[in-house]
Amino acid sequence: AQKITQTQPGMFVQEKEAVTLDCTYDTSDQSYGLFWYKQPSSGEMIFLIYQGSYDEQNATEGRYSLNFQKARKSANLVISASQLGDSAMYFCAMREGVSGGSYIPTFGRGTSLIVHP
Amino acid sequence: DGGITQSPKYLFRKEGQNVTLSCEQNLNHDAMYWYRQDPGQGLRLIYYSQIVNDFQKGDIAEGYSVSREKKESFPLTVTSAQKNPTAFYLCASSISSGASTDTQYFGPGTRLTVL
Repeated sequence: AQKITQTQPGMFVQEKEAVTLDCTYDTSDQSYGLFWYKQPSSGEMIFLIYQGSYDEQNATEGRYSLNFQKARKSANLVISASQLGDSAMYFCAMREGVSGGSYIPTFGRGTSLIVHP
Repeated sequence: DGGITQSPKYLFRKEGQNVTLSCEQNLNHDAMYWYRQDPGQGLRLIYYSQIVNDFQKGDIAEGYSVSREKKESFPLTVTSAQKNPTAFYLCASSISSGASTDTQYFGPGTRLTVL
């Protein structure tokens, strides 16, 4: 079973509008971390935002916020006021505890976001 | 500036050849990772290292080898045993791999093509 599911292969948004990218996860651990990365066409993975499983408030970083719904096991990324430079692939990732105490992240398949002028 | 460098950016290999991809970091991170990315796919873990002179296999280690002789360096060798090596390879590092909070930071990647 996939641990990270991103159900939207592609999304389109008008410049200056907000967009939500979906991410659901599957874990039985109580302690885990959720991450979002942006991958522009150049290929480098850029860290955007982090949410810990024990964090009570949703994480925010500038125009990025994470809508964390623990009971539903969802960690959606919200980008406000989209810009043309936001066009990229976006990946959701999770770190959970595995045997030996190493938290090795697993990644979803990504969502392609295109921002229209 | 602190960061992760990978070289080369593009690499071409003939079938049957071994090639080595370089990854260097000056972030003083203990943990380093190698991922493979195929078109339209997420990242799959090849190897990771939590400390110098130690490394563990990831999900797709067959046909790959690594070394970790220095904290800053984690080279990946793609051997002739890897049947389908054409892919984009990403190196990452984090402070450690022992906490769910540790954020991975990535290099710019190496695109390997087998001719």
